[in-house]
Amino acid sequence: EAQVTQNPRYLITVTGKKLTVTCSQNMNHEYMSWYRQDPGLGLRQIYYSMNVEVTDKGDVPEGYKVSRKEKRNFPLILESPSPNQTSLYFCASSLRSGVSSYNEQFFGPGTRLTVL
Amino acid sequence: GENVEQHPSTLSVQEGDSAVIKCTYSDSASNYFPWYKQELGKRPQLIIDIRSNVGEKKDQRIAVTLNKTAKHFSLHITETQPEDSAVYFCAALGEADRGSTLGRLYFGRGTQLTVWP
Repeated sequence: EAQVTQNPRYLITVTGKKLTVTCSQNMNHEYMSWYRQDPGLGLRQIYYSMNVEVTDKGDVPEGYKVSRKEKRNFPLILESPSPNQTSLYFCASSLRSGVSSYNEQFFGPGTRLTVL
Repeated sequence: GENVEQHPSTLSVQEGDSAVIKCTYSDSASNYFPWYKQELGKRPQLIIDIRSNVGEKKDQRIAVTLNKTAKHFSLHITETQPEDSAVYFCAALGEADRGSTLGRLYFGRGTQLTVWP
């Protein structure tokens, strides 16, 4: 089944304890992205990746890191989580990102993170 | 980069009535405008999209219109049903190969649609 998966789905942690949220897609998609969703603020992009080893900052990258060593995986790393990073996180992927060949962006199931 | 504004933030309608959600965008080079529906506790899913070479697109009870001159696009849902209740997001695609907007989707803040039976 074609899908985007995220793990964990729920996580409660404490300030300063490094964590990684994994994202994987099995559709051979080039483009992957991380968003955070907060009430009233919609979906804000954290980082995105056009392809392997190509990543760039979105609108709210502070406090986050990403890597794209393989096409299928795009982990989100919080080196020192803080309470303001409590949020719902979505990973998404699409086949390509060019306007002329843009394809639907598929979202993962979401990870609800609470930082105490 | 692109800025997408979405209105209203909440919308309540009676079952059977129509619902309209409007979005404006700032980058005149944007060429692709998808709409996503997010049901409670679920992930956003694409419901309809439109490219700049057309002014309107329909899919059963939903339609999207685009006015490139005015830089706004709208989602129209007719004969609303309780299962249409969800958060709807509009988005605009930043034109590829334009620096930091490279192929990025910019989302509006969402509209909570409630359809009362």
